[in-house]
Amino acid sequence: QQQVKQSPQSLIVQKGGIPIINCAYENTAFDYFPWYQQFPGKGPALLIAIRPDVSEKKEGRFTISFNKSAKQFSLHIMDSQPGDSATYFCAASPAGNKLTFGGGTRVLVKP
Amino acid sequence: GAVVSQHPSWVICKSGTSVKIECRSLDFQATTMFWYRQFPKQSLMLMATSNEGSKATYEQGVEKDKFLINHASLTLSTLTVTSAHPEDSSFYICSARDPGQGVYGYTFGSGTRLTVV
Repeated sequence: QQQVKQSPQSLIVQKGGIPIINCAYENTAFDYFPWYQQFPGKGPALLIAIRPDVSEKKEGRFTISFNKSAKQFSLHIMDSQPGDSATYFCAASPAGNKLTFGGGTRVLVKP
Repeated sequence: GAVVSQHPSWVICKSGTSVKIECRSLDFQATTMFWYRQFPKQSLMLMATSNEGSKATYEQGVEKDKFLINHASLTLSTLTVTSAHPEDSSFYICSARDPGQGVYGYTFGSGTRLTVV
């Protein structure tokens, strides 16, 4: 009930491509869905987050799409750059409660 | 923005000794802090939730006597790994909730790489 399933585990794109990472959840009590970026040896940093009352949110080159009925959400990285190469985690939580993380996706953007 | 400072960033200790990791909220008061463990190429696994002035709540399977958590002030939480063994080697990360960002404001520390030899 608390799981968040993330796919793919890894992906490689060329510079300028659009990596897409997908997450699915089961717990309908979740109402906060953030995405984190993590570089090796560092803690995760919040990229963008969405609440269930909207279906899409954009911040810079990062876009979250949210499908409440399917209980799925995804991250798109527009015009990807080599500096975007990192591990990305989706997460979810009920209001004010602990985060549950997806398994992570290692993204490599080739020059 | 909210900043969480974690120290040390890396530590090597001998098997059987104890290690303390500090997590500080620098510019906000954190009533709740979270401790995670992350093994190589894996996700973050929540170990425990600590609330200022009360006992920590541990996740299932986490030994509370081995991983001692203290949240004595609104800006400091500590994780002590007692009688560390090589299997405790991991990346430990703390997180704090910033009340100024509402119920969704989680800020993470930079992590501590623990190596037990």
